[in-house]
Parts: sequence; C-alpha cells; structure tokens
Amino acid sequence: DSGVTQTPKHLITATGQRVTLRCSPRSGDLSVYWYQQSLDQGLQFLIQYYNGEERAKGNILERFSAQQFPDLHSELNLSSLELGDSALYFCASSVDPTHTEAFFGQGTRLTVV
Amino acid sequence: QQQVKQSPQSLIVQKGGISIINCAYENTAFDYFPWYQQFPGKGPALLIAIRPDVSEKKEGRFTISFNKSAKQFSLHIMDSQPGDSATYFCAASERGSQGNLIFGKGTKLSVKP
Repeated sequence: DSGVTQTPKHLITATGQRVTLRCSPRSGDLSVYWYQQSLDQGLQFLIQYYNGEERAKGNILERFSAQQFPDLHSELNLSSLELGDSALYFCASSVDPTHTEAFFGQGTRLTVV
Repeated sequence: QQQVKQSPQSLIVQKGGISIINCAYENTAFDYFPWYQQFPGKGPALLIAIRPDVSEKKEGRFTISFNKSAKQFSLHIMDSQPGDSATYFCAASERGSQGNLIFGKGTKLSVKP
C-alpha cells in the first residue's frame, strides 16, 4: 500500500456527463500528480499541484481540470465526457516536486458508455 | 523530443532466468530514470531508480544499467520468479521535476515455472 488513496475505484458514466475523481496524498506529501493510463496512449502525465498551486501541465484536455485543497487532497474534474476518456486515472504524490520519488495510488477506472 | 522508447513489448522468461528490458531516450535534460512495476488492477510501484552520474545500481535481484553516451538504460531481473510476472515501465523526468514522469509503453513480463 503506497499510502495514496483514490476514490472511487470504479466509475461508469454516460457520454456528456461530468465526474470528479478524488485523491488523498500520503501523509506529509505536498505535491500531487495526475496521470491517465489507456491502452493506446499508455501512462501520460496530466497535471501537477504543489501545496495548493498548479505547478506543471502535461497532456491535459481543456475539458479536464484539477485543484488541490488546503488539506492537500486533490480532485480531478472531467467534463463533457467522451468514449475515449475511458481509462485508468492515477494520482501520485511526493514530499516535494524536485527531489523525491512519486508514489502512485490504486487508480480510478473510468468507463464512459 | 520527450519520448522514452521501451522494448520489448512482452517477454517470457523461465524461472531462474534473467529478464532484460531496455529503454532509450532523446532528451538530454532528463536526469532521473525510475522503473515501475505494475500488477493488474494496481497502481505502478517504484522498483528502482538511477541518476546519470552512476552507470549501475543494484537492489536485490534488480539492477539498472545506464549508458549516458548512448542515452539508454536497462533493467535486469536476476533469478526471475513467477511472482515477478507484471508489467514494467521505464520512465524519465527532468531536473527539478522528478514527479513529472515520461513513461515508456511498458513491457509485460511472464515468468514460467
């Protein structure tokens, strides 16, 4: 167990809908990362937050957004969902973004029907 | 070029054999090279990592070999066991952005008893 908690584990929703994925980082970790894992694209970095502030953006669609709250948990919001958004979404955390390893949660499997 | 190229896609090894997975990169700004192990239904777990100032790092049965001039690195699993059967990902990140990982496509390893 990495200590990173993601909820829900599974999510099934219809096209056009909006969902929110939640991540609680390991105790003491200030940096949170979101990744998407799909069969065709592999594991892709989406976005990073550090102590509440956005720090880096990767291949994140405009329909997706995220935030990190004062208690350091993070949420990834996915809107106007399309079939192609079906994937595993992972959250990872680290103590700080520059020198320490990132530990991954168990993921949320999103299925868009 | 941000890509990390990983080979082979799949690998079958007999119990007790050596498993070798290779990765290559182009971006000379990369300075952190981790390997992650992922079991079905689980998040990636950090296995071992290396920085370019060393050519080899060993942890138990797992060894990373790093060739800075060739921009290649590899994972060797000695005395492979059926419990090592998983998908392995190499990754890389730039200085100061250790958690913003660029992943290879993964290698599915099967160790036959």
